[in-house]
Amino acid sequence: SQTIHQWPATLVQPVGSPLSLECTVEGTSNPNLYWYRQAAGRGLQLLFYSVGIGQISSEVPQNLSASRPQDRQFILSSKKLLLSDSGFYLCAWSVAGVCAFGSGTRLTVV
Amino acid sequence: QKEVEQDPGPLSVPEGAIVSLNCTYSNSAFQYFMWYRQYSRKGPELLMYTYSSGNKEDGRFTAQVDKSSKYISLFIRDSQPSDSATYLCAMRASGTYKYIFGTGTRLKVLA
Repeated sequence: SQTIHQWPATLVQPVGSPLSLECTVEGTSNPNLYWYRQAAGRGLQLLFYSVGIGQISSEVPQNLSASRPQDRQFILSSKKLLLSDSGFYLCAWSVAGVCAFGSGTRLTVV
Repeated sequence: QKEVEQDPGPLSVPEGAIVSLNCTYSNSAFQYFMWYRQYSRKGPELLMYTYSSGNKEDGRFTAQVDKSSKYISLFIRDSQPSDSATYLCAMRASGTYKYIFGTGTRLKVLA
């Protein structure tokens, strides 16, 4: 069965510091991969999605970027974090119409 | 108008009640329909997946899709306090990659 690993679970970073969140998927090939952000009490905001290695689509222009260096690896990055980047970041994969999430990273920018 | 509408709740029910959670949508091209359960500070957990119309049952959970009314439902039978969570609906059109999520309904099952 497919599993998705996302780390770290919690992260506290100072304003202006860089960010790298990693997500890997096991048990499937060529998944679509997604990064979402969920602000407290709000819905899921799609940040990036990828349909293949090196293919990234950005949904919201902002201080973040994404990369997919391998088929089952998806990375979310920032060069300089802003206070507004705080939130709950979720990686997801989809195959054959089904979409499943990782356990999330709670990022607090201080 | 949002593509997907979901009542935010909270919805409070006594233990053992039948719970009905609903979403309406506007895009007739949606073909994939999902329900997720999300506990506080956790990632959403996929509960039910339906392609196109019809019903699907899994234990205490039943998902229904009515494409003519653009309406989907999740029923929970014999609700338990452990069912207390936020429930998210999601949908996607064929030939697209983006999933559209409802904002979630908070459910509280009282012991």
